[in-house]
Amino acid sequence: GAVVSQHPSWVICKSGTSVKIECRSLDFQATTMFWYRQFPKQSLMLMATSNEGSKATYEQGVEKDKFLINHASLTLSTLTVTSAHPEDSSFYICSAAGDYQETQYFGPGTRLLVL
Amino acid sequence: KQEVTQIPAALSVPEGENLVLNCSFTDSAIYNLQWFRQDPGKGLTSLLLIQSSQREQTSGRLNASLDKSSGRSTLYIAASQPGDSATYLCAVSSSGTYKYIFGTGTRLKVLA
Repeated sequence: GAVVSQHPSWVICKSGTSVKIECRSLDFQATTMFWYRQFPKQSLMLMATSNEGSKATYEQGVEKDKFLINHASLTLSTLTVTSAHPEDSSFYICSAAGDYQETQYFGPGTRLLVL
Repeated sequence: KQEVTQIPAALSVPEGENLVLNCSFTDSAIYNLQWFRQDPGKGLTSLLLIQSSQREQTSGRLNASLDKSSGRSTLYIAASQPGDSATYLCAVSSSGTYKYIFGTGTRLKVLA
């Protein structure tokens, strides 16, 4: 099956700094990528949908200036958490879908801890 | 707005039992439904994907069924093993948007 990677898998940062998380589709071209967030012992919540070469579409309640998403190529999307605060600590997972979006392939996730 | 609920929230069973996890969704206009496994602190492992036109999918000891009209899916695990202990998530992809809405999850513990 298709493989999606995320980097880094773990990141610890100080409050006020910005953190960039990469999501890559390794063996297929991802027209669309999705970013999810998971708080401890809760389910995944969709944050935004990004299409290659266009602006991301954010779900209600997600601050687009806080969570910057860039989908500059068909194999790479990045999520930047700007001016991170402890409440941004979470597990961030991306998924990628090809042209027909019929199947999403999920990355392994990135755990962010903001001190 | 699509809502996905999973029952039970937690389940503890002795090894060898057959068990059923339930997933219900409010909007039957789905594109597909997928069951995932998540181990503590880890990402998602896809178990079974059921397209909206299908009624069930099987993989090894796992069988997932889909009843779109009633908004339900079940994941059947046969002869459970301690290694099956994990959180099981179902997610539905809505027609048109292809966004996945995840259920609340069932935390399964299989006792040796």
